[in-house]
Amino acid sequence: DVKVTQSSRYLVKRTGEKVFLECVQDMDHENMFWYRQDPGLGLRLIYFSYDVKMKEKGDIPEGYSVSREKKERFSLILESASTNQTSMYLCASQLGEQYFGPGTRLTVT
Amino acid sequence: RKEVEQDPGPFNVPEGATVAFNCTYSNSASQSFFWYRQDCRKEPKLLMSVYSSGNEDGRFTAQLNRASQYISLLIRDSKLSDSATYLCVVNMRDNYGQNFVFGPGTRLSVLP
Repeated sequence: DVKVTQSSRYLVKRTGEKVFLECVQDMDHENMFWYRQDPGLGLRLIYFSYDVKMKEKGDIPEGYSVSREKKERFSLILESASTNQTSMYLCASQLGEQYFGPGTRLTVT
Repeated sequence: RKEVEQDPGPFNVPEGATVAFNCTYSNSASQSFFWYRQDCRKEPKLLMSVYSSGNEDGRFTAQLNRASQYISLLIRDSKLSDSATYLCVVNMRDNYGQNFVFGPGTRLSVLP
């Protein structure tokens, strides 16, 4: 069974803070993705990675960066959190179909 | 035009009903297709892949029409536990090989 874990289920941060969201998968998948999900907007791709140290911008990369130092771990970084980054963040790992982590609900106050 | 469009819903149906969801996609080069299910405040989970010949898994039937760029999901004999949001997902090839695009989802409520 594929397992994708995310470091936190709920997170509350202040405006301007640097935020790290961690995602780990245990199936040796090469492809990993970060999405955010907002009511009425569906899932939107922030960044993805096809290999270690490789990253590509998705549809809404502004305000975010990522890191993939090890194959199993894909981190999403909010350099300076803003209130419009309050959202549900979902990480996915992919081989064939995508497998999602449980999500991190981030609130920026 | 959005890349993947779905019936807006919500669909409210009684237990035992048959319900069908539709999805259209814009990129004719799309390679693979999926239906995901997402429960409230949970992550999306794969319900079934969609094959060109159509496929069935118990009460669920998925069909693909490449010529019309259309995917459907049919649920027979609806159960209360089928209540969820159903996401149509299309894998559109791009320069990097793959690009998963999610539809906005259709919410289903099965009522007792």
